[in-house]
Amino acid sequence: SQKIEQNSEALNIQEGKTATLTCNYTNYSPAYLQWYRQDPGRGPVFLLLIRENEKEKRKERLKVTFDTTLKQSLFHITASQPADSATYLCALGGGTGGFKTIFGAGTRLFVKA
Amino acid sequence: GAVVSQHPSWVICKSGTSVKIECRSLDFQATTMFWYRQFPKQSLMLMATSNEGSKATYEQGVEKDKFLINHASLTLSTLTVTSAHPEDSSFYICSASAGPAVNQPQHFGDGTRLSIL
Repeated sequence: SQKIEQNSEALNIQEGKTATLTCNYTNYSPAYLQWYRQDPGRGPVFLLLIRENEKEKRKERLKVTFDTTLKQSLFHITASQPADSATYLCALGGGTGGFKTIFGAGTRLFVKA
Repeated sequence: GAVVSQHPSWVICKSGTSVKIECRSLDFQATTMFWYRQFPKQSLMLMATSNEGSKATYEQGVEKDKFLINHASLTLSTLTVTSAHPEDSSFYICSASAGPAVNQPQHFGDGTRLSIL
């Protein structure tokens, strides 16, 4: 069955450093991949979408890579700030998954001042 | 832009009560709306997909008679948990998409925390 893996352990980094989060998937060839941010008790907020034919996408301090050979996406936050502390979810859709979007469980990021 | 409002944000009620949750897209027309359930530290579990004016498509294992979904307009979808029991206690989140394409981002409400006593 289709599976998305995100590091369940929290990531702790110092303010100003680059945070890198990983999303791996198996038994799946998605057409697109999305990253969302979720704060405690709130709904996810859309950040970036990258398509299977794109290797990298950037938005301000965010950068996403999509390696369909490794079946992996990396999500980078440069010059991280305490306000970046949240849970980050990756989501896959299209391709062999059809019309559904499947979400990973997310990785919690803590940025220390 | 792309704001989704979900109401109520928090419900506590007795077992056997039916609870209705509303999901509204405030500044765009939502062709498709999704209903999810989320347990602590777990991923969003899709319950059903609804398109305006048609019946919702439920995921395997989700009882359609238990979780009634209505998507009567392009800006409103409702989820009614009928005869709720303690095992239905969870965080329910809706999302809306402006188009039917699978590569459209989803815009989420802030969820409803449902506690059944």
